[in-house]
Parts: sequence; C-alpha cells; structure tokens
Amino acid sequence: AQSVTQLDSQVPVFEEAPVELRCNYSSSVSVYLFWYVQYPNQGLQLLLKYLSGSTLVKGINGFEAEFNKSQTSFHLRKPSVHISDTAEYFCAVRWDNFNKFYFGSGTKLNVKP
Amino acid sequence: DGGITQSPKYLFRKEGQNVTLSCEQNLNHDAMYWYRQDPGQGLRLIYYSQIVNDFQKGDIAEGYSVSREKKESFPLTVTSAQKNPTAFYLCASRQTGVYEQYFGPGTRLTVT
Repeated sequence: AQSVTQLDSQVPVFEEAPVELRCNYSSSVSVYLFWYVQYPNQGLQLLLKYLSGSTLVKGINGFEAEFNKSQTSFHLRKPSVHISDTAEYFCAVRWDNFNKFYFGSGTKLNVKP
Repeated sequence: DGGITQSPKYLFRKEGQNVTLSCEQNLNHDAMYWYRQDPGQGLRLIYYSQIVNDFQKGDIAEGYSVSREKKESFPLTVTSAQKNPTAFYLCASRQTGVYEQYFGPGTRLTVT
C-alpha cells in the first residue's frame, strides 16, 4: 500500500540556521512529489514539485528538495531559515497510475530568534 | 482573481445535524478533492471528482456525501452518521494534465 512518512513531527531551529525536513515514501515507481506549506488556519500552498528530470528542485522562499530514487526520499532543505518560515510542512506523493495524492503527517517547523 | 473559495471559515453545529460545506473554484479545473485534517494526522482524502456528475470515495468517505453538478462547485455534506466530525476541512482542485493540486483556505467545523 502507498504511504508517505514524515518522521519528524516537530523541528525546532534557530533563525539563520540550515534545516532539513525529511520525507520518505513507499515505492519509487513513477512518482510525482510535492512539498506544501501551511500557515495556521490556512490552506496549503505549493512550495515545490518534482515531476521528472533533475533530482534537485528549487521552490519558492529559498527552499529546495532532492529526489533520491534509491532511498525513496524527497527531503526539503533551506540553507538559512527566517522567523517567517515557521509553519507546518507537508510532503505529498502521487503515483502515476492513481489520481489520488497521499500526504505525510506533517512537520511543524519552529524557527526561534 | 482566480482561486478556490470555501465558506464559511468557521462553522458550528449541534450533534445530530447535517451540515454542508461549500467549495467553489473559478480556475476551470476539472478535478476537485475534499480532505479532512486532524492534528498530527496530515490530510486524509474524503471524496474526489474528476469530471462533472462523477465522484469517487476516498479513504474516509463514511458519514460524508458530495455532489458535482457543476464544474466549479463541489459541496461536501457532513451527515449525522459521521462519528467525529469536528475537524479542519480542505478543498482542492487540479487541472487535467497538471500534476499539482491547489487548495482553498479551509473550513473549521466544530460539532458539539
């Protein structure tokens, strides 16, 4: 069965420090990968996506993610975080033969001054 | 402005009452989705529709119903059969041939 795992439910980090939010999924066959950000009581906003091609993808707000087929991972990174990055981040996967999206349980990023 | 609207933002109901959540999009997207979000559980798919007059159950459809009579509208009814309806509900849409979904602002439903 398809599954998406975000092992870290909360990640505290100091402002201007680097951060990595981890995402693993159950199968690498024909996947499309996404990271979304959610601010409190709001909908989800697309940060970046991997469809094909280069395994390193860049998104909005200075975020980037790397697709690793052998490890079935799609970790999100930012070299220097800001207070405004405090939010919840969701990894999502769509397998090619499905019209459904599968979401991880989310990682709350808490950026401290 | 193109986008997805969900109304109302906050909704309160008494136990045993049915309630309908609105989702409207003017993006001309073919597919629409309803998700339920609970703390620490991510998003769980309730129903989705790829075309007008057609929809499929998601992973947690019990106690919910939907309709898709118009391309731009996909209302969700939370029935009294839903055992734990208090949650944040998110609507999303996607254009055919585009891989990502776009989300509305959500409706927080509280049932007491």
